[in-house]
Formats: sequence, C-alpha cells, structure tokens
Amino acid sequence: ETGVTQSPTHLIKTRGQQVTLRCSSQSGHNTVSWYQQALGQGPQFIFQYYREEENGRGNFPPRFSGLQFPNYSSELNVNALELDDSALYLCASSLRDIRGGAEQFFGPGTRLTVL
Amino acid sequence: AQKVTQAQTEISVVEKEDVTLDCVYETRDTTYYLFWYKQPPSGELVFLIRRNSFDEQNEISGRYSWNFQKSTSSFNFTITASQVVDSAVYFCALSGSNDYKLSFGAGTTVTVRA
Repeated sequence: ETGVTQSPTHLIKTRGQQVTLRCSSQSGHNTVSWYQQALGQGPQFIFQYYREEENGRGNFPPRFSGLQFPNYSSELNVNALELDDSALYLCASSLRDIRGGAEQFFGPGTRLTVL
Repeated sequence: AQKVTQAQTEISVVEKEDVTLDCVYETRDTTYYLFWYKQPPSGELVFLIRRNSFDEQNEISGRYSWNFQKSTSSFNFTITASQVVDSAVYFCALSGSNDYKLSFGAGTTVTVRA
C-alpha cells in the first residue's frame, strides 16, 4: 500500500450536481496530483498542487477545481456535473524534485458515476 | 507535448510464458523520465520503475526487466515466467524535466491463464 487514501470509494450523482473528492497524501509528501481515468483509458492529468498552490493544469474546464491544505491533503471539486465526468478519479502524492520526474504514488481512487 | 503509445491493447498468455509490453514515446525535452505502472483489478496504480533519459542501462528486478532505447524512443517491459497474479493493466508514462505531470499511454491488459 502507498499510504495515499481517498474518499469516498464510490459516488453516484446526477447531472448538474456538484461533488467533492478527498485525498490524504503519503507522510512526508508535499505534492498532490489528480487524474481522471475513463473506462478503458489511461489516466489523464487534471492538475497538481504544491504547497497549497496549483502547479500545472491539464485540459480540463474551470468547473474542475481543487484545494490543498497545510497538511498537504487535497480536495477535487467538480461543479455542474456532466455524464462524461463518470470516471475513476485518482489522487497521487509525491515529494517534489526540482529536477522533475518525482515518483508519484497513487491512491485507490474514487469511482464517480453521473446519471 | 508529450505522447506515449502502447500499441498492444491486450495480451493473453499461459502461465510461465514470457510477456513483453511495448512502449513508444514522443517528447521534445532532452531530460525526461519514463515510468511503468501496474493497475490490478482493484484499481490502484502501483509504481514499478522509473528511468531518466540519461540512464539507458537496462535493469532486471526479479521477474521484471526493462529495455530502454533512446534511438528508437522505446521503453519496453518484460515479465519472465508470468504468473496469474501478474494479470493487470500495465501503463507506460512519461514526464518532462519541467513538467511534473505524468502522460500515460492507453495501457495494455495482460491476462495470464493458469
């Protein structure tokens, strides 16, 4: 196990609703990244947080937002849910390396279903 | 932009056979990092290996081995003497030196039959 935890495990929402997903990073890690994994596809980068600030964002609309807290845990918020938001949402924690290429350790994911 | 291609969608083998997973990448960075992750049915991505672009030395770790060739932009992964527990989806991923995100391939589903 990586020590990265996510909650909830599963979630069912209806179109138009809002959702908050939570992630606790591995002890000693200061960076959290979020990924969306649609069924049968590879994970897609949503954004990354380092020391409570967004540090890079993928090709996702502004209704995807996040937070990182002083203890390095993080939240992913999605507003105005759409059917295509149904996916496995993965959180990964890492210890930032200025050279890049830090190993990212993933949590078990939150399975979101939008009806 | 970073791109990772895993041409094999699915591979099915009988236990004890060797399995080689192909990964081809594209990047304009001179310094970059390559990764392999395993995703069992439980869903959690498990880190297997990281290689930087300056280290082309191939590695063997137990039943796993990796073949990194910059000349062909490939980073292939081999499971020797496969076991049923190796059944999973395997992802190749890439990140640049100033780009902390991972760019994943589409994954290869490996099924090992007893």
